[in-house]
Amino acid sequence: AQTVTQSQPEMSVQEAETVTLSCTYDTSESDYYLFWYKQPPSRQMILVIRQEAYKQQNATENRFSVNFQKAAKSFSLKISDSQLGDAAMYFCGGGATNKLIFGTGTLLAVQP
Amino acid sequence: DVKVTQSSRYLVKRTGEKVFLECVQDMDHENMFWYRQDPGLGLRLIYFSYDVKMKEKGDIPEGYSVSREKKERFSLILESASTNQTSMYLCASSLTPIWGYTDTQYFGPGTRLTVL
Repeated sequence: AQTVTQSQPEMSVQEAETVTLSCTYDTSESDYYLFWYKQPPSRQMILVIRQEAYKQQNATENRFSVNFQKAAKSFSLKISDSQLGDAAMYFCGGGATNKLIFGTGTLLAVQP
Repeated sequence: DVKVTQSSRYLVKRTGEKVFLECVQDMDHENMFWYRQDPGLGLRLIYFSYDVKMKEKGDIPEGYSVSREKKERFSLILESASTNQTSMYLCASSLTPIWGYTDTQYFGPGTRLTVL
């Protein structure tokens, strides 16, 4: 069985600062994929970043990067230079096939 | 850009009614998914389909059924709506027909269903 845990229901960050959202993904699969999705208020959920478990290098997308620690089952998202538009619900998800499991989400507030 | 559309943003129904939620994707994706999103519970998979007329149960299929008659369209059916089915329903699609590879899912805007 797979489990995804997001232990921070809410987080807050000052504009231009850096924030890290935590996620743990537990699975018996040796190869799998991990995702962070963003859901802005009243808007569509969109992909922020994805990580393939067999890759040693952590994924980065502009101001977004992940810290993937496979042995520790940890998959955290770092947002640098936070902007007001980063305010959203963030979901961590993972899967070895097309069926993903998602966490309960972290609501990120960005303070001006 | 991939576009996933859902038939309604907001829907209000009465207990016992049959409810249809429609989802359409325009990118020829093989896989389509229905989730429900509830505060504190995240996204939970109801059903998914990996091909026309093919479907598999997700984690919470009870009280729901689905239909996929055409590749681009995936319908979620509540046979007899109940108040505990009040929720946000999200549809998603992804491309990959290859087993062992997990592709990005593209989501629709969601339908907020209220059952009175």
